Amino acid sequence: LAKTTQPISMDSYEGQEVNITCSHNNIATNDYITWYQQFPSQGPRFIIQGYKTKVTNEVASLFIPADRKSSTLSLPRVSLSDTAVYYCLVGDGGSQGNLIFGKGTKLSVKP
Amino acid sequence: EPEVTQTPSHQVTQMGQEVILRCVPISNHLYFYWYRQILGQKVEFLVSFYNNEISEKSEIFDDQFSVERPDGSNFTLKIRSTKLEDSAMYFCASSDVRWGTHYEQYFGPGTRLTVT
Repeated sequence: LAKTTQPISMDSYEGQEVNITCSHNNIATNDYITWYQQFPSQGPRFIIQGYKTKVTNEVASLFIPADRKSSTLSLPRVSLSDTAVYYCLVGDGGSQGNLIFGKGTKLSVKP
Repeated sequence: EPEVTQTPSHQVTQMGQEVILRCVPISNHLYFYWYRQILGQKVEFLVSFYNNEISEKSEIFDDQFSVERPDGSNFTLKIRSTKLEDSAMYFCASSDVRWGTHYEQYFGPGTRLTVT
């Protein structure tokens, strides 16, 4: 599985757009990029998944450049409730489905 | 919105005792997982289960652990003889397609296991 690198922590203020970048230099052809969110004492929650270019849903956008060696999760107009740990995961279609979580990025949103 | 449920929310047990953690996955899902998270650490994969058998397991999932789908709705994790280091939050998850094309797993709220 491709190793991912993301910042340990980020601070933001309410109403700002937050971009969290993840590096995955060894991403393989079959790998998808997936982001999860975890609040304290809760299970991780799927946010978004992409393979290339841009994906957008009601929660976030995911930008993936052509070389796919990195990806950026974009959270528009964050609120205090977006304070959480955000995980970038990369994996291939041959896996049995086990998610390999790193340490994630702890996002703190301040008023 | 359908959700994964887990019981109990908190389990306290003495070292050496057996515990069973219970999960009810989302009803039309076919793939089931257990993860654990020691306080302040990463979420770690334990085991995946499909078609009534283990698909994959991690090094953590040794002979002390077992999983079962005793009926059409429950999915259980048993720890035969608990150790202090088994203290963690245990998350059950389920999904309806294989990882790769869709990597969306639905996690339960977790069971906090405290071994004393």
